[in-house]
Amino acid sequence: SQQGEEDPQALSIQEGENATMNCSYKTSINNLQWYRQNSGRGLVHLILIRSNEREKHSGRLRVTLDTSKKSSSLLITASRAADTASYFCATVMDSNYQLIWGAGTKLIIKP
Amino acid sequence: NAGVTQTPKFQVLKTGQSMTLQCAQDMNHEYMSWYRQDPGMGLRLIHYSVGAGITDQGEVPNGYNVSRSTTEDFPLRLLSAAPSQTSVYFCASSYDRGQPQHFGDGTRLSIL
Repeated sequence: SQQGEEDPQALSIQEGENATMNCSYKTSINNLQWYRQNSGRGLVHLILIRSNEREKHSGRLRVTLDTSKKSSSLLITASRAADTASYFCATVMDSNYQLIWGAGTKLIIKP
Repeated sequence: NAGVTQTPKFQVLKTGQSMTLQCAQDMNHEYMSWYRQDPGMGLRLIHYSVGAGITDQGEVPNGYNVSRSTTEDFPLRLLSAAPSQTSVYFCASSYDRGQPQHFGDGTRLSIL
């Protein structure tokens, strides 16, 4: 069962622009995590936001969480070619701490 | 610090063959899990373990077995390979359930 759904499925922007990806989910969560996957590699954890947090920053990354709308967004500012990757959200269910993954957003940064 | 190591990186099997995908981590993590990743879909949990000697089924366990005899190793066994098991398999570990996962680079498996 897929709880997290990312939007858009694909995003292509110019280097230097900001990229925003969204994640929606259905049930009560303990935390929400964002991961990056470069082509042919495993996923790499980027940032975790807890259910009682509304915003979190890490370098050029900004994550927001709106539990009333059951949604989160990942903003990458001043994008670089190296940001080209797929980005996944994973929601951790409050009931059993299982991670449920979205299908991902494929981000392409054009030089 | 190697993190999570998966072997092999690529494998081609014939229908009906069996094989074991290896996974080892050197971070002393208690929680380990196996996922499969198919195009256009999120990761789907196959099996997981919360510690040595303890395993449980995930969302898509049929056709797969696991064991956890040590903290470090968590092999995934395909019992009788089927074309529907063609996928990329990822092993992940974390110090506890629901915490950030550390992933291996995956095993790309094709079943003919």
